[in-house]
Amino acid sequence: SQQGEEDPQALSIQEGENATMNCSYKTSINNLQWYRQNSGRGLVHLILIRSNEREKHSGRLRVTLDTSKKSSSLLITASRAADTASYFCATAPQYGNKLVFGAGTILRVKS
Amino acid sequence: GAVVSQHPSWVICKSGTSVKIECRSLDFQATTMFWYRQFPKQSLMLMATSNEGSKATYEQGVEKDKFLINHASLTLSTLTVTSAHPEDSSFYICSAWSEDSTDTQYFGPGTRLTVL
Repeated sequence: SQQGEEDPQALSIQEGENATMNCSYKTSINNLQWYRQNSGRGLVHLILIRSNEREKHSGRLRVTLDTSKKSSSLLITASRAADTASYFCATAPQYGNKLVFGAGTILRVKS
Repeated sequence: GAVVSQHPSWVICKSGTSVKIECRSLDFQATTMFWYRQFPKQSLMLMATSNEGSKATYEQGVEKDKFLINHASLTLSTLTVTSAHPEDSSFYICSAWSEDSTDTQYFGPGTRLTVL
């Protein structure tokens, strides 16, 4: 299966700053999802945005989706040390329910 | 939200032995369960899709005779790594999906397999 690409691969910021991660994919999708993974742990579902949506908010998270460019971004505002984790985007196809994960962005928030 | 558990959370075994990993949906019935493998500092790669009562569908490059999947009930899927070798050492994660959960897969906490 094809994986999407995420950039940056790694991001280091100070507490209180905003963090932006980008995701690109290759095929038509039904929805795109963002997950967080703390080191050595399972995945935590953050937010889902459907192909007919352009922007979605959840607390300090803001996700955008541009289907014409096949790209999405995740913005974490006012970052905290506890936000330190790996973040993955995953796309769901138009038909079926298999997710394709991006390469991930490692975020480090320094206190 | 729905809870998915995995057991064991970590296992160390000798080369040549078989290891079974369980994935359970605790508070919902999972029509489909997925098994992923994740190598250090890499993303999740789908290994196989498991539907209750039918044979698993494996992704290209995944040996079905080596990674045996059984989905005997709507709440339990097992992955058995047969004749494990050091290169099978990885983090194995399952997820569960039901028609009621719409587009969301619920992920287990993962199992760390180390083959000596």
